[in-house]
Amino acid sequence: QKEVEQNSGPLSVPEGAIASLNCTYSDRGSQSFFWYRQYSGKSPELIMFIYSNGDKEDGRFTAQLNKASQYVSLLIRDSQPSDSATYLCAVKRGGDNDMRFGAGTRLTVKP
Amino acid sequence: DGGITQSPKYLFRKEGQNVTLSCEQNLNHDAMYWYRQDPGQGLRLIYYSQIVNDFQKGDIAEGYSVSREKKESFPLTVTSAQKNPTAFYLCASSIPTVGGLNQPQHFGDGTRLSIL
Repeated sequence: QKEVEQNSGPLSVPEGAIASLNCTYSDRGSQSFFWYRQYSGKSPELIMFIYSNGDKEDGRFTAQLNKASQYVSLLIRDSQPSDSATYLCAVKRGGDNDMRFGAGTRLTVKP
Repeated sequence: DGGITQSPKYLFRKEGQNVTLSCEQNLNHDAMYWYRQDPGQGLRLIYYSQIVNDFQKGDIAEGYSVSREKKESFPLTVTSAQKNPTAFYLCASSIPTVGGLNQPQHFGDGTRLSIL
């Protein structure tokens, strides 16, 4: 079992729709959760991070965390073609310095 | 502007050659990291350093070496012992844990290494 699992996609949504990206993790000691966006050929850029169960909203993005189910998701509202990218989920144990990454979900937003 | 600078952007290695990838940051971050990304895969940790003159191996350290002589710099050497070095190499940095909570890592633009 991979430590951080994501559906590789591609996930295709029409412009203006909600894109839902999911991530599960195996280590119950994980305490910090991060979403990065990576455009093709570029480096990852941080979108959001979440530490506590529940929802955290930032503009069009909402991160959702359920530690009991070991599940974290990212919702993108009003999806735009510029959101088309690979989204990486990353997880850290408390006190550890290394981050565990999923392989990413490729999102395509069609005009 | 503060940021992480990686150079070169593209690098070619001949068989038997060691090559060094540069990573410099002016964010005053204590922790620095090196990752390798292969197509269709997530990032895998090569080495990390929490403080000057100290570093630890990550999951795939074999065939790589690092140094951390200055806070701002964390160069990665890909040695000839690394038999499959073709990949996208990413350097990242972060501030220490705050209130017991891990802080996000921020990435440089990466270096693409290929075998000649």
